[in-house]
Amino acid sequence: AQTVTQSQPEMSVQEAETVTLSCTYDTSESDYYLFWYKQPPSRQMILVIRQEAYKQQNATENRFSVNFQKAAKSFSLKISDSQLGDAAMYFCACNYGGATNKLIFGTGTLLAVQP
Amino acid sequence: EAGVAQSPRYKIIEKRQSVAFWCNPISGHATLYWYQQILGQGPKLLIQFQNNGVVDDSQLPKDRFSAERLKGVDSTLKIQPAKLEDSAVYLCASSFEAPLAYQETQYFGPGTRLLVL
Repeated sequence: AQTVTQSQPEMSVQEAETVTLSCTYDTSESDYYLFWYKQPPSRQMILVIRQEAYKQQNATENRFSVNFQKAAKSFSLKISDSQLGDAAMYFCACNYGGATNKLIFGTGTLLAVQP
Repeated sequence: EAGVAQSPRYKIIEKRQSVAFWCNPISGHATLYWYQQILGQGPKLLIQFQNNGVVDDSQLPKDRFSAERLKGVDSTLKIQPAKLEDSAVYLCASSFEAPLAYQETQYFGPGTRLLVL
């Protein structure tokens, strides 16, 4: 079965510091898409960043970047210069392809940002 | 651009009652999804529509859950009768059709929080 694993249920970071959230996945597919979604307490799921598996270059979006290691099946999210508004649940998700657009989510990492 | 709209935001019912959730996707998005998110877990896909048709409903408990997408736009998810274990957040998402389905990015609505007593 295709799975996504987030091994850190909770993380904490000081404001302005950098934090890395871990994610691993398991698939035999050669092409797929990986996503990080943010879910603040209001519960609106917001796309943070996405990575295409066939691209070796790591995706970046302002203060957010990923470290994509395809051989290790690892997809971590780095948040630089953390802000209070970054506090949320972060979900890693993978779309393994096929006929349907089916996202498989991890269990999430709750990020707290300390002032 | 308006986002995915959902209503109601909260619903409390007793077990064995019925409940319905409504979703309006982003304009022009052909694909619509319903997810169930139980507290402490990631969202799980219940059903996926492509325009009017169902693409995947393999994880929808069909004995009590039903969903429809009217005219390829709005969608309704119904639970009848509800069980205690149906307490969860129900998320609707939509995506714009891409050449390959898995290339599409899904955009989520605010969700409906259901509590079954």
